[in-house]
Amino acid sequence: EAGVVQSPRYKIIEKKQPVAFWCNPISGHNTLYWYLQNLGQGPELLIRYENEEAVDDSQLPKDRFSAERLKGVDSTLKIQPAELGDSAVYLCASSLAIPLFEGTQDTGELFFGEGSRLTVL
Amino acid sequence: GDSVTQMEGPVTLSEEAFLTINCTYTATGYPSLFWYVQYPGEGLQLLLKATKADDKGSNKGFEATYRKETTSFHLEKGSVQVSDSAVYFCAIAGGTSYGKLTFGQGTILTVHP
Repeated sequence: EAGVVQSPRYKIIEKKQPVAFWCNPISGHNTLYWYLQNLGQGPELLIRYENEEAVDDSQLPKDRFSAERLKGVDSTLKIQPAELGDSAVYLCASSLAIPLFEGTQDTGELFFGEGSRLTVL
Repeated sequence: GDSVTQMEGPVTLSEEAFLTINCTYTATGYPSLFWYVQYPGEGLQLLLKATKADDKGSNKGFEATYRKETTSFHLEKGSVQVSDSAVYFCAIAGGTSYGKLTFGQGTILTVHP
């Protein structure tokens, strides 16, 4: 079974340029996450999708970041314009959320891609 | 909000040494607790988890016990190998972290022959 696929693995751009990252989750996984990982830090959630709906985007800097998950499958994360401080690894993860009882669910195991490393010069 | 604190690293050990990586958390409710591992050049992968108090998660010789009274989930292994060299992340889900994982800052483990 294929894992979570991300591209590109590496991207180097100059500041103020746009950049986009793509993620294809594990087939059948309804929940998709984008995480930001700065050097020496743990991942921090940017946005979480359940199917095609963004259910938690409170940490997404909406002035320059945008994301979409059309048709509830693969997803794109965009930065425009990029700033020096955006240099980091962008991780995509997916899971199969399991309903426990009405209104709640188990997150399930998150499966991560290898990440996209962005360097902004 | 929820938070996770891991022991400061990095940790350097000789092969067959005993490993402990401390993890404590702050959360409301009853979160699930996880250890994820990131081997060089690879993505994060689940190592073990525990979903309720006193549960013990185990995998590949690693163990961690959910201690609600001390809000801890320390990772242990009796005899580490060179192949265990990686970055280890403690994480929680549930409570106010419902539907997502909140990670600690990670601990780099290097095991020498």
